[in-house]
Amino acid sequence: AQSVTQLDSQVPVFEEAPVELRCNYSSSVSVYLFWYVQYPNQGLQLLLKYLSGSTLVESINGFEAEFNKSQTSFHLRKPSVHISDTAEYFCAVSDPRTYKYIFGTGTRLKVLA
Amino acid sequence: DVKVTQSSRYLVKRTGEKVFLECVQDMDHENMFWYRQDPGLGLRLIYFSYDVKMKEKGDIPEGYSVSREKKERFSLILESASTNQTSMYLCASSFLGTSGSNEQFFGPGTRLTVL
Repeated sequence: AQSVTQLDSQVPVFEEAPVELRCNYSSSVSVYLFWYVQYPNQGLQLLLKYLSGSTLVESINGFEAEFNKSQTSFHLRKPSVHISDTAEYFCAVSDPRTYKYIFGTGTRLKVLA
Repeated sequence: DVKVTQSSRYLVKRTGEKVFLECVQDMDHENMFWYRQDPGLGLRLIYFSYDVKMKEKGDIPEGYSVSREKKERFSLILESASTNQTSMYLCASSFLGTSGSNEQFFGPGTRLTVL
């Protein structure tokens, strides 16, 4: 069975500061890793994903995440956040055998002016 | 672009009522999912379907049932709504696919309040 832990339920950060949202996972099999973002009153949107290959993956809006197999982590980072990045971020793992996701509990990022 | 639509954004029902939540996707996806989202608990899978008329229980199926009569439509049914089913309900879909990436696409959600 897989599990996902997002240790930080809320992360406040000032605009233009860097941010890291932490995600650790547990699995006995290879999994795919995802970060989703949920803006207020909306559904989830895919931010980025790791399937295989390069351990550093990037999104179009400046976020990046690095897959670290030894630490079973997939932390999300952005060097300079904007007010518009205020949202809830979910880390997820999927088992390719079942097409099911396991989601973390989410991290609310609040960017302050 | 993939579009997943849900029949209502907000719904208020009374305890004991039968509630139908509808979800439609327009990308010919094989898989469809129903989640509920609660603060501090993240998303929890209620049911999923990998084909028409096929369904499998997720992690919290109690008190819910589903129906998938057509490939594009997946319905969540609360047979007798209770106050502890007040929540945000999210529908998602994905390809079965050969790449195995199984990215899920989400609808906007239905916020259900049971009084």
